[in-house]
Amino acid sequence: EVQVIESGGGLVRPGGSLRLSCVASGFTLNNPAVTWVRQAPGKGLEWVSSISGNDDTTYYGGSVKGRFTISRDGSQGTVYLQMTSLRVEDTAVYYCAKDDFWTGHPSRYYYYGMDVWGQGTTVIVSS
Amino acid sequence: DVVMTQSPLSLPVTLGQSASISCRSSQSLAYINGNTFLSWFQQRPGQSPRRLIYKVSNRDSGVPDRFSGSGSGTDFTLHISRVEAEDVGIYYCMQGTHWPLTFGGGTKVEIK
Repeated sequence: EVQVIESGGGLVRPGGSLRLSCVASGFTLNNPAVTWVRQAPGKGLEWVSSISGNDDTTYYGGSVKGRFTISRDGSQGTVYLQMTSLRVEDTAVYYCAKDDFWTGHPSRYYYYGMDVWGQGTTVIVSS
Repeated sequence: DVVMTQSPLSLPVTLGQSASISCRSSQSLAYINGNTFLSWFQQRPGQSPRRLIYKVSNRDSGVPDRFSGSGSGTDFTLHISRVEAEDVGIYYCMQGTHWPLTFGGGTKVEIK
């Protein structure tokens, strides 16, 4: 069975940092696009960040741009989300997902959405 | 950013009846290559989201054919025929044509 597994969540003070990790089982995260999506308590889904599969280009949502960094360690088959300057409003369950998109030449661009999701890791930002 | 607006917010359905969820985007989701990138996700209570539909109308493997997607431009619909108890949950549309990616606010499907 293919799955992704997140780790690294926890309780952190406002202004603090945390690094989330995402690994896969049944396949590797060396190549595919990977996306982080979060869900605040009782709220809907919010796209956070993606890293493309074709060239590791990174993308960020406006609420996290400049504070969060997505990266991939191919040797470890791991994708990270480094979160800094955390705010109370960053409190959420963070899902890692294998994504399905290609951002090369516009004639070949496609975006199909996240097709393998993890169980999520909880981040609580509180004093 | 493209705003995705879903309606209704809550959808009580009788078992065996059909249900439709609307998703409207603030801009056309037609990409310059002629494709439209609109996906639907299901989140059952206490579970992670699961993709049901991609590129407007393509059903994922293992998704019952009771689920179908349609639409173009700025108006899209997820249709569930013959609703079953396992369909209870929140459904989200998501656009992948314009970055940043954006989700709709969700529609909660419940059994009457």
